[in-house]
Amino acid sequence: EAEVAQSPRYKITEKSQAVAFWCDPISGHATLYWYRQILGQGPELLVQFQDESVVDDSQLPKDRFSAERLKGVDSTLKIQPAELGDSAMYLCASSVRRDEQYFGPGTRLTVT
Amino acid sequence: SQKIEQNSEALNIQEGKTATLTCNYTNYSPAYLQWYRQDPGRGPVFLLLIRENEKEKRKERLKVTFDTTLKQSLFHITASQPADSATYLCALDRGSTLGRLYFGRGTQLTVWP
Repeated sequence: EAEVAQSPRYKITEKSQAVAFWCDPISGHATLYWYRQILGQGPELLVQFQDESVVDDSQLPKDRFSAERLKGVDSTLKIQPAELGDSAMYLCASSVRRDEQYFGPGTRLTVT
Repeated sequence: SQKIEQNSEALNIQEGKTATLTCNYTNYSPAYLQWYRQDPGRGPVFLLLIRENEKEKRKERLKVTFDTTLKQSLFHITASQPADSATYLCALDRGSTLGRLYFGRGTQLTVWP
């Protein structure tokens, strides 16, 4: 069964450093989402792509976060510089329809 | 802004009983409501979707109801098993063209033998 791939699974970085996460969605899924999930909370959307275009980045802290999906397939989320409050699980999801999102295993980020 | 409340942070029940989880929302009325399961350290997994014009949806031992008057969805697991232990998230889709989901914080279910 096809799955959403994410790497790395775990990342420890010092504050003020740059960090990047990668996501490979299920083949054929045009819509890709990046979420942030703080421990004990539900996922919160950071950015949504339709093919290679950003369609919703209203909750993305654009002063330090950036996201791209250059060829409309895989995607990278970057944080620069990382802050202590960025420690969370970063989840990638993809969908072909609006009625079901497929999530990857996530990247657990710890900022020290 | 959309506010989503899930009945409690934790629910503990005995194997074989029916687990009932609650999702209440305020402000906007969703066009769709979804339920996901999340195991520790893993991404959420889609379980069921119910539309605003549907009252009930079933899938195997799972049942979801949707009451737009009460602004509430109930998620039931019948004949619960220890393997059902996980966090269950409800998510609202307001019906915009983007299909954005707003998640609750989840309810942690523990089923003990």
